Amino acid sequence: EVQLVESGGGLVQPGRSLRLSCVASRFTFDDYAMHWVRQAPGKGLEWVSGISWNSATIDYADSVKGRFTISRDNAKNSLFLQMNSLRTEDTAFYYCARDKNIAAAGLFDYWGQGTLVTVSS
Amino acid sequence: EIVLTQSPGTLSLSPGERATLSCRASQSVRSSYLAWHQQKPGQAPRLLIYGASSRATDIPARFSGSGSGTDFTLTISRLEPEDFAVYYCQQYGSSPWTFGQGTKVEIK
Repeated sequence: EVQLVESGGGLVQPGRSLRLSCVASRFTFDDYAMHWVRQAPGKGLEWVSGISWNSATIDYADSVKGRFTISRDNAKNSLFLQMNSLRTEDTAFYYCARDKNIAAAGLFDYWGQGTLVTVSS
Repeated sequence: EIVLTQSPGTLSLSPGERATLSCRASQSVRSSYLAWHQQKPGQAPRLLIYGASSRATDIPARFSGSGSGTDFTLTISRLEPEDFAVYYCQQYGSSPWTFGQGTKVEIK
């Protein structure tokens, strides 16, 4: 069974930075695009960012463009999200999700358990 | 950006009953690139349906999807106790990939 394990969440003040990680296992990581999707507590799902298998194609939601950076290290089966200039509205569970395709086509077929980011002073 | 509107917001049903969930898009979804995800409390979402009507791996046959263009439906033929959850539709026809606000299926 595909496994995705996120880490790096926590409490951070507005304007500060945080880096999330996702380690993948039980599948060939560089055969798939990957994404970050978030969910504010008690709210719905919001796609944040996606990256193709070779990092050639990267996309962001308008709400995070210019502040967040997605990256991956295929040698370490890892996905990252660098979050800068954090705002209170970025408070959410952040899920790592696998794309069913090698390109970032937006179909999320497996999800991690999520890591909670709380932005508060 | 494609806006997805799900109805009803909450569906109160008994085990064994049929559930019909609706998802309407603000514009046509390219190639019926519409998925349904299930989320239980405290858990990550799980992909149920993609391509409007294809079941994902290990998803029971009681789950079925239909629709095209702007109107899509998820049907659960006979509710099992483990099916009470929140269901989200999601389009992947054009970026940004967007989700509906969710339909909660609760025990009556």
